[in-house]
Amino acid sequence: KAGVTQTPRYLIKTRGQQVTLSCSPISGHRSVSWYQQTPGQGLQFLFEYFSETQRNKGNFPGRFSGRQFSNSRSEMNVSTLELGDSALYLCASSRSDRNYGYTFGSGTRLTVV
Amino acid sequence: AQTVTQSQPEMSVQEAETVTLSCTYDTSESDYYLFWYKQPPSRQMILVIRQEAYKQQNATENRFSVNFQKAAKSFSLKISDSQLGDAAMYFCAYRRRPDDKIIFGKGTRLHILP
Repeated sequence: KAGVTQTPRYLIKTRGQQVTLSCSPISGHRSVSWYQQTPGQGLQFLFEYFSETQRNKGNFPGRFSGRQFSNSRSEMNVSTLELGDSALYLCASSRSDRNYGYTFGSGTRLTVV
Repeated sequence: AQTVTQSQPEMSVQEAETVTLSCTYDTSESDYYLFWYKQPPSRQMILVIRQEAYKQQNATENRFSVNFQKAAKSFSLKISDSQLGDAAMYFCAYRRRPDDKIIFGKGTRLHILP
């Protein structure tokens, strides 16, 4: 059974640019969540999608957005990149009941220069 | 708001010994889930163990067990017979039922000394 796949693994962008990260969940998982991980702030919740609808949202500015497609694959987009957006972005999927926790991908390391 | 606190940023343990990682959380809910995740250098977060708040019995998964004290809002992880492969960042996490995001602690970096 394939795990959660995130692409790309590494990304270097310039300040002011925008970026799109992709996440393919485990087959049958309909919930996809995104987290930003930095050394200073730890893991911070960005948003969660379920059946193409945003179900939860964290406290991030509007520059951070996401969407989910009918096949449960999800993308997150960050516009007008800032140096502080440099982080590991983790995607996680879960079963509909979510009580068994998340299965995480290996993340996308974004560096903004 | 729910919070999760891991008071030990870093710990070390000798190989084959036992180590306990601490976690406390703050919530007014009575029904929730608690998790321990492991993040090795490969970056992928791996679910180690989960505990349902309404269950009195402490969860166990092979060498990993928890000490769940609901009244004290404490959820510690015990690793027995520590192995080199256990070296990682460990995160305690909380999830409220029925629909909420998982909140993570800041993590504890565990070193295994050969």
